[in-house]
Amino acid sequence: NAGVTQTPKFQVLKTGQSMTLQCAQDMNHEYMSWYRQDPGMGLRLIHYSVGAGITDQGEVPNGYNVSRSTTEDFPLRLLSAAPSQTSVYFCASSYGTVGGRNTEAFFGQGTRLTVV
Amino acid sequence: AQSVAQPEDQVNVAEGNPLTVKCTYSVSGNPYLFWYVQYPNRGLQFLLKYITGDNLVKGSYGFEAEFNKSQTSFHLKKPSALVSDSALYFCAVKTGRRALTFGSGTRLQVQP
Repeated sequence: NAGVTQTPKFQVLKTGQSMTLQCAQDMNHEYMSWYRQDPGMGLRLIHYSVGAGITDQGEVPNGYNVSRSTTEDFPLRLLSAAPSQTSVYFCASSYGTVGGRNTEAFFGQGTRLTVV
Repeated sequence: AQSVAQPEDQVNVAEGNPLTVKCTYSVSGNPYLFWYVQYPNRGLQFLLKYITGDNLVKGSYGFEAEFNKSQTSFHLKKPSALVSDSALYFCAVKTGRRALTFGSGTRLQVQP
């Protein structure tokens, strides 16, 4: 049981390049989310999904796209990288609700992205 | 809308002393509250959650948190701090089908 797996762990991009951050979970979780972590700002929600085929924007969605074609995978695409997107990115997944009660989220180890 | 405030950027405590990390929240409706811990260069690890029921919630590593609806708070506590508890702590809130909203984090420093 691998949990939530993010790849790559580190990435350096040039301004204007595009790339996809991968996230996969093997727990059959409904909910998946992408956050970015910046010093002093906590984790800010980029996009999230409550199930395959369903996505929604979070607090800071500009410059990022997502899709959820399967339950297991939730890739995050940077369309044209900018220095402001330098950050640590975390993917999370959860059951959403069990017996009507919200459950905790499990996090990947993060992707450290630098845009130069 | 939902939001979380962690008013202290850093909390310093001596080993063996009790610790408190503060969290207040703002939501419409019933909140589901969580505490996570992050060690350097690692992802977030779940500590404990309040869903419903007893206001005092016990979690991993001897941590506990008290839900106070009138003060909209969910402070994290531990009776006796360890040096190994030094880390970054995040409070988070969730309502309904929304994703988690996190506070800005509090760095806990436990001195030997």
